[in-house]
Parts: sequence; structure tokens; C-alpha cells
Amino acid sequence: DAGVIQSPRHEVTEMGQEVTLRCKPISGHDYLFWYRQTMMRGLELLIYFNNNVPIDDSGMPEDRFSAKMPNASFSTLKIQPSEPRDSAVYFCASSSQPGQDTGELFFGEGSRLTVL
Amino acid sequence: GNSVTQMEGPVTLSEEAFLTINCTYTATGYPSLFWYVQYPGEGLQLLLKATKADDKGSNKGFEATYRKETTSFHLEKGSVQVSDSAVYFCALSDPYTDKLIFGTGTRLQVFP
Repeated sequence: DAGVIQSPRHEVTEMGQEVTLRCKPISGHDYLFWYRQTMMRGLELLIYFNNNVPIDDSGMPEDRFSAKMPNASFSTLKIQPSEPRDSAVYFCASSSQPGQDTGELFFGEGSRLTVL
Repeated sequence: GNSVTQMEGPVTLSEEAFLTINCTYTATGYPSLFWYVQYPGEGLQLLLKATKADDKGSNKGFEATYRKETTSFHLEKGSVQVSDSAVYFCALSDPYTDKLIFGTGTRLQVFP
């Protein structure tokens, strides 16, 4: 079975450019999460969706970040304009029941973003 | 608010040594507790979990017991292998939302 698929795996861009990261969750999973991982801050939850609807975007750092989930099999995280401090590994994760009883998130391999 | 605190790494051990990685938590209600592992260049994957007090989660020789009285969920393994080298994350599920709250991660390095 295919896991969570993210693209691109690596992205190098210049400050000011638009960056779009993509995620395909596991089929049948109702929840999708976007995380950012840096050495300084560790793993931060940016936003999550339930049934394609954004539930909590309180972790999105600022208006330069936006996320969409137009259908159950696709989500994007966009940064416009990008800045060097956005350099990080961005993970997408999906789950069927993230709450009390199971809590298992399935992570993609991540998108490593470098903004010069 | 809910939070997870892990011991800082890196933890450096020789093969076959005993491993403990400490994790304590602060939470309202009764969260479930988890350990995730991240191997180099990969995403996180679930290692083990415990859903209520005194439960013991175990997998691949790793164990952790949900201790409500000490609000802890320490990860242990009796004999580590080089292949266990990875970053280990303690996490709790917020009982009132669908979020998982992760600790900062502890890097384990095992040498032959």
C-alpha cells in the first residue's frame, strides 16, 4: 500500500519566491496534518484538516503561509514570499483516528526546503 | 496547556547497552501517550503507545509504561543495536482535540 506521498523531496529557492509543497494522504484517512521540523524549534504543527476542512491553523506562522485541501486525496502548503527562516523540513501526515484511542499518524518522507 | 518534555540528546551508547530516554508530560484530562521514531532521511513512525494509566506499550524490544503518578512515559530497551540509531519523539494526544503534541526529540547514537 502506498503511504503518504510528498513532493518535492528537496527544494532550493531564492528569497521572495513562491514555494508550493504537495501531499497525497493515505486513501481513506480523514485527517491531514502539516508539520514543520527545524533544529531550533523541533516539530511544530502548522495546520490540520478533517474531511478537507481546516480545523486548526493556529500554528501557521504568518500570512505568508497558506494551506488548502481541495479534495480528500490532495493538499498543498504554500509560502509566498519565502524567506530564509522558512528553511526546514515540512512533513505531511494523515490519520483515520488521531485522537484518544489510536493516535497513529502516518508521515510522509518530508520536503526539505532551503531558501537562500 | 498540554506539553511534553524529553531529555536532551544526543544519547551515545555502545551496542548492547541499556537505554533509557526520559519523557514527562503535562496534560488536562487523560491523554494517550506515544513514542515515535525517525530514522535518518525518513518521516516519523509510531513505535509504541499506551492509552491509560499503568498500560505498558512495547515493540521491537522497546518498552514504556504510562505512569500517572509521576506523569512519565520513559522509553527503555535492554540491549540497543546500531540499527536503533535514530531520533525518538515522545508525544501525547490532546484529549479534547485531534492533535498530537510532540516533544523536541532525543537523538540516539549507538556505536559498535
